[in-house]
Amino acid sequence: DVKVTQSSRYLVKRTGEKVFLECVQDMDHENMFWYRQDPGLGLRLIYFSYDVKMKEKGDIPEGYSVSREKKERFSLILESASTNQTSMYLCASRDPLYNQPQHFGDGTRLSIL
Amino acid sequence: AQTVTQSQPEMSVQEAETVTLSCTYDTSESNYYLFWYKQPPSRQMILVIRQEAYKQQNATENRFSVNFQKAAKSFSLKISDSQLGDTAMYFCAFRNGGSEKLVFGKGTKLTVNP
Repeated sequence: DVKVTQSSRYLVKRTGEKVFLECVQDMDHENMFWYRQDPGLGLRLIYFSYDVKMKEKGDIPEGYSVSREKKERFSLILESASTNQTSMYLCASRDPLYNQPQHFGDGTRLSIL
Repeated sequence: AQTVTQSQPEMSVQEAETVTLSCTYDTSESNYYLFWYKQPPSRQMILVIRQEAYKQQNATENRFSVNFQKAAKSFSLKISDSQLGDTAMYFCAFRNGGSEKLVFGKGTKLTVNP
């Protein structure tokens, strides 16, 4: 089974802090994704990566950046956290070669105070 | 741009009954994929079922089946013999064949009552 692990289930940070959300997958998947999930809005794509050091903006990249230095790890960075970034963040990975679906982590519930 | 619409924010069903969740989508593409994902309370999102647009036969996974109406751009999920463990948020999602982007609907909260 694919295992996508997000480093924290719950995280509380302060406005203006630099925040790192980490995600690791164990299936050597090429593609990794970061989503934000808000009630009534569903999931929205922030960034995705299709290879090491490669990234592409999703639908709501403003205020976020990402890093992928190793294939198995994809980090989401909030450069200067703001209260409107309080949300649930979901990481996912996918192997595009076999037309597999995306596999999700458990999510990180981030609160910015 | 592709959009996915789930018109039922919340639904409930009695245990052992059948329930159908609606999903419509908008695209001008011919090669695409559709998915239903399930997110139980405080638990991981998992894939329930998927459908390739080029396949005419509706996908089925045990108690879960879809009604894929390509011309109407409709992709509903039917859950038969509902169980308490089916209580979850259900998201319909769409992906173009040449894209990595999944477009999600806003979700339907399903409650199965004993």
